[in-house]
Amino acid sequence: DAGVIQSPRHEVTEMGQEVTLRCKPISGHNSLFWYRQTMMRGLELLIYFNNNVPIDDSGMPEDRFSAKMPNASFSTLKIQPSEPRDSAVYFCATATTRGAYEQYFGPGTRLTVT
Amino acid sequence: SQKIEQNSEALNIQEGKTATLTCNYTNYSPAYLQWYRQDPGRGPVFLLLIRENEKEKRKERLKVTFDTTLKQSLFHITASQPADSATYLCALDGNTGFQKLVFGTGTRLLVSP
Repeated sequence: DAGVIQSPRHEVTEMGQEVTLRCKPISGHNSLFWYRQTMMRGLELLIYFNNNVPIDDSGMPEDRFSAKMPNASFSTLKIQPSEPRDSAVYFCATATTRGAYEQYFGPGTRLTVT
Repeated sequence: SQKIEQNSEALNIQEGKTATLTCNYTNYSPAYLQWYRQDPGRGPVFLLLIRENEKEKRKERLKVTFDTTLKQSLFHITASQPADSATYLCALDGNTGFQKLVFGTGTRLLVSP
C-alpha cells in the first residue's frame, strides 16, 4: 500500500488566492482527519470524517476553510481566501474504525501564503 | 481548561542510555493514549497505544506507562540510538466516543553517539 497520499507537497500562494489541498486515504480506512501543524500551536485537528460524513468540524478556524469528502478515496481542504496566518503544514491522516485506532499520516503539504 | 503537556525543551542523552519522556494531561478522561514519532519534514508515525485499564505496554525497546490517577504517561526508550532522535508526540482521545485525538506539542529527543 502506498500509504496516505497528499498533494501538493509544497504550495506557495499570494494572500487572497484560493488554495486546495488533496488527500487520498489508505484503501479500507473509513476515518479521515485533517490537521494543521505550526510551531506555536502544534498539531491541531481541523475536521474529521467517518464514512465520508463530516463528524466534527469544530476545529475549522473560520468560514474561509472548507473540507469535502465526495467518496472514500478522496478528500479536499480548501482555503478561500488565503491569508498569511494560514501558513502551516497541513496533514491528512486516516484510520479504520476497527482495532487500535492508530492514525496513519500523510507526508503533509507545506503551505506558505505571502 | 483542558491541557496536554509535554516538556518543550529538548532531551539530550547519550547513546545506550534510557530516554524517558513525560506526558501530563488535565481535565481529560481518556479511554486510551497514543505515542507518535515525528521526523523533520514528515508526518507523525504511530508507535504505541495504551488503554486506560493497562498500566504498561512494551514493544521492542519501547515502554509506555499510563497512570490515570496521576494523569500521566511515561514513554521510555531503552538502549537509545542516534536513530531514535526525533520529536515524540503523545495524543489522547477526548473520550467523545469518536476517534478524535488531541495531541501534545511534542518533546524533541537528541541521542548523541
